[in-house]
Amino acid sequence: DGGITQSPKYLFRKEGQNVTLSCEQNLNHDAMYWYRQDPGQGLRLIYYSQIVNDFQKGDIAEGYSVSREKKESFPLTVTSAQKNPTAFYLCASSIDIAGQGNKNIQYFGAGTRLSVL
Amino acid sequence: RKEVEQDPGPFNVPEGATVAFNCTYSNSASQSFFWYRQDCRKEPKLLMSVYSSGNEDGRFTAQLNRASQYISLLIRDSKLSDSATYLCVVNKVDSSYKLIFGSGTRLLVRP
Repeated sequence: DGGITQSPKYLFRKEGQNVTLSCEQNLNHDAMYWYRQDPGQGLRLIYYSQIVNDFQKGDIAEGYSVSREKKESFPLTVTSAQKNPTAFYLCASSIDIAGQGNKNIQYFGAGTRLSVL
Repeated sequence: RKEVEQDPGPFNVPEGATVAFNCTYSNSASQSFFWYRQDCRKEPKLLMSVYSSGNEDGRFTAQLNRASQYISLLIRDSKLSDSATYLCVVNKVDSSYKLIFGSGTRLLVRP
């Protein structure tokens, strides 16, 4: 089945620890995104990548890092510098159709819930 | 002012009712508009894109009003399974890749 797979579903982080969230897609999409969702709030963009080996900061990139070594994969590392990491993390992807407006639809993985021990 | 604003609800309606949500956006240059549905503790899923002329998909109708900078979603003949949070989504003007998500409007459909 085509889709976006995020793992793990639940993750616990200890004080001072870096953790990495996995995101894999087999939709052959060029663009991938990471969002954070806090209770009662909209999704906020952490990082996005339009193409392999390139990525851009979103609105709340501090305390996070990403890599895009393969088209299919866009892992997110939550570093110890992120002081309030507890949230629902969502990975998304879309076809690279710059300027095509409504056709640039983002599809989401099932998410990872990160909590602090 | 938030870039995308929605009434958080909840809208509590009986089965079979018609319900409408509005969403306002701040940047008049926005070009792409969507409604996503998010079930509790799940990921958002695309419900429908919103086109300038308005569009319908079964019981769902989306409208865009550029002059007043709002989009709407109308659900007719509500089903219990329509209970969810509906997210209004607008593209960020400086990048077609970036989307701005509203905080969502919660709908509860009761028997």
